[in-house]
Amino acid sequence: AQTVTQSQPEMSVQEAETVTLSCTYDTSESNYYLFWYKQPPSRQMILVIRQEAYKQQNATENRFSVNFQKAAKSFSLKISDSQLGDTAMYFCAFLSHNTDKLIFGTGTRLQVFP
Amino acid sequence: DGGITQSPKYLFRKEGQNVTLSCEQNLNHDAMYWYRQDPGQGLRLIYYSQIVNDFQKGDIAEGYSVSREKKESFPLTVTSAQKNPTAFYLCASSINTGRAGANVLTFGAGSRLTVL
Repeated sequence: AQTVTQSQPEMSVQEAETVTLSCTYDTSESNYYLFWYKQPPSRQMILVIRQEAYKQQNATENRFSVNFQKAAKSFSLKISDSQLGDTAMYFCAFLSHNTDKLIFGTGTRLQVFP
Repeated sequence: DGGITQSPKYLFRKEGQNVTLSCEQNLNHDAMYWYRQDPGQGLRLIYYSQIVNDFQKGDIAEGYSVSREKKESFPLTVTSAQKNPTAFYLCASSINTGRAGANVLTFGAGSRLTVL
């Protein structure tokens, strides 16, 4: 069974600085998808970024980028130029190419300080 | 605006009572999902439906039931058999393109259920 591990329950960063959130996963499959979702205090889940395992190039969305290390089964999220609005829970998630079941990690609570 | 509407936002229930959480989407999405969120446990899949009149159990389906009579609606009933129902419930939907991974989930705002 696939598992997703986020080893950092809480992180903090000063505004305008860069922070990296860690995520590792376990799977025997070679083709899959990885996601980072953000849940702000409103609790509305929002997709931040998506990576397809067969693509070697790391995904980037504005200030958000990932470091995808397939061999190490690692999928970290880097937030550059952190903003107060980035304060949220961040969830890493795995989706098998063979199913439509999204498996979530336990989340990392990020606090951005002024 | 297209989106997912969950209601009620807050719900209180006495032990032994069934309660139904509503989820409606106007995105014309084929697939719909129910997740449960508990502190420190992330999101866990309860039930999902890829098409009208069909649904599958997720990882924690015991004590829950669903129906999918209309494409737009996927209500979740929390039955008295659910031993620890106090939680935050999230509904989601996605276009079912037939290619997994293209199915990015859109989430509702959630419903908070508290059992008294």
